[in-house]
Amino acid sequence: QVQLQESGPGLVKPSETLSLTCTVSGGSISSHYWSWIRQPPGKGLEWIAYVYYRGPTNYNPSLKSRVTISVDTSKNQFSLNLTSVTAADTAVYYCARGGMYDSGPRYWGQGTLVTVSS
Amino acid sequence: NFMLTQPHSVSESPGKTVTISCTRSSGSIASNYVQWFQQRPGSAPTTVIYEDDQRPSGVPDRFSGSIDRSSNSASLTISGLKTEDEADYSCQSFDSNNRVVFGGGTKLTVL
Repeated sequence: QVQLQESGPGLVKPSETLSLTCTVSGGSISSHYWSWIRQPPGKGLEWIAYVYYRGPTNYNPSLKSRVTISVDTSKNQFSLNLTSVTAADTAVYYCARGGMYDSGPRYWGQGTLVTVSS
Repeated sequence: NFMLTQPHSVSESPGKTVTISCTRSSGSIASNYVQWFQQRPGSAPTTVIYEDDQRPSGVPDRFSGSIDRSSNSASLTISGLKTEDEADYSCQSFDSNNRVVFGGGTKLTVL
């Protein structure tokens, strides 16, 4: 059974860059779609971006100018960079694995809370 | 782009059946697959339905998904409700550019 684990700083200062990594175990990252999704406190889920293992990416238009998603097949990891963060970016960030032909989440990480504050 | 609209909350008694709707504002609900996620308080989401009506292994057959072209909506039905089913449920689909769209979520209370 595939497992996903998010890692990265829990606190980021305003205007800085939020960087998270998702480590995949129990399966190869060299297949399927891989996504980042976030959930602000008390609110619903918001899709951020996905990447297919061979490189094609897709981004939420509202975040596209600030987001980069990438895959490192040698480490079985994928990553998220979100620049110029504000308090509105405070959320639980989840990584997820999609299907082989679509990015709809099938397996989710446990999530990591990232707070943007000085 | 389109929106997926869900009721804010639903409630039902143990042992009963509940249906949660997810209505697509424009474009056909049948154009793109719909997924459903369960999120218990303080926990990460888990997938209970994918590709409109498919159950991942380990999800009880009390959970079922469907789409209705006439109402342009998807539905998640949970039968034989248990107190452990109390959670937030969110639907998800894709737009014409394969971007992911989430519904706002429905809080299910089992009382």
